[in-house]
Amino acid sequence: QVQLVESGGGLVKPGGSLRLSCSASGLSITDYYMTWIRRAPGKGLEWLAYINSGGRTIYYADSVRGRFIISRDNAKNSLYLQMNSLRDEDTAVYYCARDDYLLSGASAIWGQGTMVTVSS
Amino acid sequence: DVVMTQTPLSLSVSPGQPASISCKSSQSLLHRDGKTYLYWYVQKPGQSPQLLFYDLSSRFSGVPDRFSGSGSVTDFTLKISRVEAEDVGVYYCMQRLHLPFTFGPGTKVEIK
Repeated sequence: QVQLVESGGGLVKPGGSLRLSCSASGLSITDYYMTWIRRAPGKGLEWLAYINSGGRTIYYADSVRGRFIISRDNAKNSLYLQMNSLRDEDTAVYYCARDDYLLSGASAIWGQGTMVTVSS
Repeated sequence: DVVMTQTPLSLSVSPGQPASISCKSSQSLLHRDGKTYLYWYVQKPGQSPQLLFYDLSSRFSGVPDRFSGSGSVTDFTLKISRVEAEDVGVYYCMQRLHLPFTFGPGTKVEIK
């Protein structure tokens, strides 16, 4: 079955850290840009970060730059998001997505999402 | 950052009737390669977002042809020729030309 599966979400206190994982099965992420996107409760989608296939090209949204770190391990077919200095406003469902270069980078395959709740 | 705006923010449509969502970007999404880096996604209730269109008007695999994407430069439109019950969800436009990439606020489509 072709899928991306996120894990690592949960409840964390403000200022805390969490590491999300995105594991691919039935498909390879090796040659693809990968992206993290979130949706906060009652809000819309927010693009957070992407990483190129080799892991050298990375870009973050202003809202997470300096606090979140995107990384990947192609040997494990996995993507990660290290989230530090978490704030209440980081509460959201976090999705990983594979960006397809044949579709001009469109996020064509998405995971089911993992919920992160930041609360004291 | 490029600001994406959508109108309306909510839409209630009777089955079989057409629907149209407008999206505007604060900067041109036309690249010198001739492509327009405007995308449409929908998030249906309880599901992950899914791709509808890329490059402005290229329909993604499996998307019914009652959906169409059009527009140019900074003004874009998603149309549904005949809305069906399964089309309920929140529709987002998104630009992938200028970093950071940005989504519109979303348009919630409901069935009357």
